[in-house]
Amino acid sequence: GQSLEQPSEVTAVEGAIVQINCTYQTSGFYGLSWYQQHDGGAPTFLSYNALDGLEETGRFSSFLSRSDSYGYLLLQELQMKDSASYFCAVMSRDSWGKLQFGAGTQVVVTP
Amino acid sequence: SQTIHQWPATLVQPVGSPLSLECTVEGTSNPNLYWYRQAAGRGLQLLFYSVGIGQISSEVPQNLSASRPQDRQFILSSKKLLLSDSGFYLCAWSPIHTSSYNEQFFGPGTRLTVL
Repeated sequence: GQSLEQPSEVTAVEGAIVQINCTYQTSGFYGLSWYQQHDGGAPTFLSYNALDGLEETGRFSSFLSRSDSYGYLLLQELQMKDSASYFCAVMSRDSWGKLQFGAGTQVVVTP
Repeated sequence: SQTIHQWPATLVQPVGSPLSLECTVEGTSNPNLYWYRQAAGRGLQLLFYSVGIGQISSEVPQNLSASRPQDRQFILSSKKLLLSDSGFYLCAWSPIHTSSYNEQFFGPGTRLTVL
């Protein structure tokens, strides 16, 4: 089977840096994705890692360590609009074409 | 450009009533299509997955069913709703040539309340 764990909530002030960790257990792991969802809205894709290392996209970066079955999403220079839920999701050989989503981390940005 | 539509946006239904939610995709051909359900404050649970017309994979046994009568149309149905069917239903698509990248594009969702 597959499982993903991520913290339920993180609170930080504007301008700060937040790291959201995601640990996974999955056979045939291919890659780790991150999605953002504002309250009441649809999830939107943020980033993807298939290889070890850091991927940077503007203020957001994502990291993967395949040997540790671990990844994180780094949000820098936090803005109020970054208040949302963030989901990690895995793609595996055993469930090709489908994503397994974590329960999500709610990020609350305060002034 | 591609767009995905879902309707209705909100729905309140009594227990035991039928359900039909529709999703259509524009601007692409042969997409993979997905139905998810999200309970309040929770993650996304994959309900159904389709790689083509008439090809439906059910991920969770329950009283829901899905159909894909046309290439870019995906319908979620139930004959008799349960209280536990309440939630936020999301339709999504991804390109047919799925890579491990598998970026999925979500519709605006339908918020269903069963009373």
